Amino acid sequence: EVQLVQSGAEVKKPGESLKISCKTSAYSFTGYWIGWVRQMPGKGLEWLGIIYPGDSRTTYSPSFQGQVTISVDKSITTAYLQWSSLKASDSAIYYCARQMVGGPFDYWGQGTLVTVSS
Amino acid sequence: DIQMTQSPSSLSVYVGDRVTITCRASQSISSYLNWYQQKSGKAPKLLIYAATSLQSGVPSRFSGSGSGTDFTLTISSLQPEDFATYYCQQSYSTPQTFGGGTKMEIK
Repeated sequence: EVQLVQSGAEVKKPGESLKISCKTSAYSFTGYWIGWVRQMPGKGLEWLGIIYPGDSRTTYSPSFQGQVTISVDKSITTAYLQWSSLKASDSAIYYCARQMVGGPFDYWGQGTLVTVSS
Repeated sequence: DIQMTQSPSSLSVYVGDRVTITCRASQSISSYLNWYQQKSGKAPKLLIYAATSLQSGVPSRFSGSGSGTDFTLTISSLQPEDFATYYCQQSYSTPQTFGGGTKMEIK
């Protein structure tokens, strides 16, 4: 069974760094893109970017370019989303999801709640 | 960026009603349109991909139509478990974008 299992909730202070993970299993990790989606409290879904684990090609939304970094570790079939300096406005649930080129997000992680507060 | 406009933003309906949600793209996206259902506190779930294809395991009361810029999601007879928020998403070009969502509530 295809699974994407995300790391647990985080509480951080403004200015701190953070890296959350998305561990995948039961499919060819290098054959699908992995995307990240943000959902701020009570709001809709926002597309942050995607990465192709086969060669680490990455595309970011202009709204998030320079604000986050997406990466993978093929050896452990895991994708990451990281921040170097968090802001209160980064507080949200972040989802990872699997995607084929031009296709939908067909499998999703359970989400990671990030809370940034002083 | 391609803008996705969903309407209505909210809907109050009865069990058994036929429901249609629309999604309009700011430019042609061919059939690269997907629909998701999200229940409170849960990750989104894929319902329809490529505008008209039903994802495996999704009940046949859900259907999608459209191409180019105008798309619809139809639920033929609303069931209690269908009360949720629905999103469209274009996967035609990056940055991929989602519609603003349609929240369905029980009347």
